[in-house]
Amino acid sequence: EDKVVQSPLSLVVHEGDTVTLNCSYEVTNFRSLLWYKQEKKAPTFLFMLTSSGIEKKSGRLSSILDKKELSSILNITATQTGDSAIYLCAAFQGGSEKLVFGKGTKLTVNP
Amino acid sequence: DTAVSQTPKYLVTQMGNDKSIKCEQNLGHDTMYWYKQDSKKFLKIMFSYNNKELIINETVPNRFSPKSPDKAHLNLHINSLELGDSAVYFCASSQDPPAMYGYTFGSGTRLTVV
Repeated sequence: EDKVVQSPLSLVVHEGDTVTLNCSYEVTNFRSLLWYKQEKKAPTFLFMLTSSGIEKKSGRLSSILDKKELSSILNITATQTGDSAIYLCAAFQGGSEKLVFGKGTKLTVNP
Repeated sequence: DTAVSQTPKYLVTQMGNDKSIKCEQNLGHDTMYWYKQDSKKFLKIMFSYNNKELIINETVPNRFSPKSPDKAHLNLHINSLELGDSAVYFCASSQDPPAMYGYTFGSGTRLTVV
């Protein structure tokens, strides 16, 4: 069965810390991997990764895909309280074109 | 505003009732989805439609029936509601191919069955 596993499930840090969130996937006909941030409402898109080894950056956030290890990491540097959210990793399964989600990592950034 | 919009945002209803959740997207996307997010925040796909045609139908009780009158709308009708149906239901849409463009999510409908 297709699955996406995220770790840790929750993380509490202080402002200014750097965090690394992990995601591993086992998905039939893998097409791409996505990271979303979910605060109170809808998941909002962060990154889409299709090629191994190419880092994507957006401000203090960056992410990279390792197709050999079937994994991805999301880094957040100099964390702020506004980064507190659930970070969702999802992998696209080819054929059905459905996104398979992990259970998320709940990040809490304390002042 | 270009978006995926769902109504209602909150729905509280009694067991046994029938209810509908509506979803509309004005992004011109071809594919629309319904996802269920449980109390542990786990998002699981229920259905997807591409141009009004059912593409994905996961193992969902047949009390749940999606209806797509046109490619901009995908509604979810639920019969004989049960306590276990309480969850947040997200509608999403994507351009084709979804694997290249990802999803845009609606803001969710929190369903509480009492």
